[in-house]
Amino acid sequence: GNSVTQMEGPVTLSEEAFLTINCTYTATGYPSLFWYVQYPGEGLQLLLKATKADDKGSNKGFEATYRKETTSFHLEKGSVQVSDSAVYFCALTLSGSARQLTFGSGTQLTVLP
Amino acid sequence: DTAVSQTPKYLVTQMGNDKSIKCEQNLGHDTMYWYKQDSKKFLKIMFSYNNKELIINETVPNRFSPKSPDKAHLNLHINSLELGDSAVYFCASSQGGGRDTIYFGEGSWLTVV
Repeated sequence: GNSVTQMEGPVTLSEEAFLTINCTYTATGYPSLFWYVQYPGEGLQLLLKATKADDKGSNKGFEATYRKETTSFHLEKGSVQVSDSAVYFCALTLSGSARQLTFGSGTQLTVLP
Repeated sequence: DTAVSQTPKYLVTQMGNDKSIKCEQNLGHDTMYWYKQDSKKFLKIMFSYNNKELIINETVPNRFSPKSPDKAHLNLHINSLELGDSAVYFCASSQGGGRDTIYFGEGSWLTVV
């Protein structure tokens, strides 16, 4: 089956630190990969996505590269801010009639001033 | 304009009651979803509708009944609410093939007391 594995949280960083949240996947086909973010008390927002191998998704200073050879889609940001504190979800979806997202378990990020 | 909107955002109700959560999308998408987020932030699909037809129905108690009057609306009705139904319920929508981006509403926080 399809699955997404994220690094365990919570992650606590100081402002301006470098962030990496690891994400690996298993899929029966050729997935599209996503990072969603959930700020405290809010809904899910799409952060970035990549639809084919070696694509790099980027948004708001965050980046992730679709690595087919390592089945990974790690999220990175060079300098985090307090406002980046949120829960981050890695997810995949496959083509076909059963359209759905398979999510990782989420990683809580707290950035301290 | 909010792309995917759901109401109510917060709902506190007693065990045994029946409640509904409404969802509307103005993106012109042909597929809508309900996801459940449990207390550990884990997200799992419940239902998916494509052009008003049910295409995904995960293992969900039959007390949960989705209704899609048209392709822009997907409502969730829950009968005989139980304590374990307390969660955040997200409506979502997408267009096109299975790898298209899925857009989420802001969530409905349901608390059963």
